[in-house]
Amino acid sequence: QVQLQESGPGLVKPSETLSLTCTVSGGSISSYYWSWIRQPPGKGLEWIGYLYYSGSTNYNPSLKSRVTISVDTSKNQFSLKLSSVTAADTAVYYCARVGTYCSGGSCYSRWFDPWGQGTLVTVSS
Amino acid sequence: QSALTQPASVSGSPGQSITISCTGTSSDVGGYNYVSWYQQHPGKAPKLMIYDVSNRPSGVSNRFSGSKSGNTASLTISGLQAEDEADYYCSSYTSSSTGVFGTGTKVTVL
Repeated sequence: QVQLQESGPGLVKPSETLSLTCTVSGGSISSYYWSWIRQPPGKGLEWIGYLYYSGSTNYNPSLKSRVTISVDTSKNQFSLKLSSVTAADTAVYYCARVGTYCSGGSCYSRWFDPWGQGTLVTVSS
Repeated sequence: QSALTQPASVSGSPGQSITISCTGTSSDVGGYNYVSWYQQHPGKAPKLMIYDVSNRPSGVSNRFSGSKSGNTASLTISGLQAEDEADYYCSSYTSSSTGVFGTGTKVTVL
C-alpha cells in the first residue's frame, strides 16, 4: 500500500524559505494528484495546494504568492517551498494523495488519503 | 477562501448518536458532492472516514455515516464509543478548483 513520508528542516528562520519533501513509497507518483496540508499547533487544517504528477499546480489563494509545489518523478517525490516565512507559518505539515474525478478536461478533488505522518516546522530565530 | 463552519465541540454518552454539521456555500459544499470527513486523534495524522458525501472507505465502521442538504453536510456517529473521541474535520472541493477544510469539531464521549 502507498505510504508517504515528509522530510526537511524542523527549524526555519523568519524571512527564509521553508523546504519540505514528501517521498512516496509502495506505489508510483504518476497518474495521481498530490497535496500539502498544514496544521498550526492547536488549530485546524489548512489546505496549501495540489500538484499533478505532470507538474500542473493549484494553490490556496492566501498563500499563492509564497508557495511552490514541484515534483521529481525519478525520485517518486514532490516538494513544498514556502518563502518569506513568519511565526504564523509554524505548523505540522502533511503531504497526502488526492482522490480525484476527471471529466471533460476538468479534475475534481474528492478526498485526501493516505496522509504522511506529518512534520513539525517551527519558524524562529 | 473561508473555512467551512463546524461546531467547536459535540459530546455524547456511549451508545448514543451524535451529528456534526459542516456549513459552506453554493461554491463548495452546496455545489459539489465532493465532501469528505476526517478523524484526527491527538498527535496523529488525519484519517479519511467519509468521501463523496456519504461513502465509507474500506475498513471504516458503518457507525459512521454522511449526508448533505443544501450548503450543509453532516457526519453522524451512531453507537458512540470511547475510541470515537477525537477531532473531526470536513473538507470540500471548491469552484476555484481548490480545497477547503472545516474549522474542526472536538467530539467528547462522556
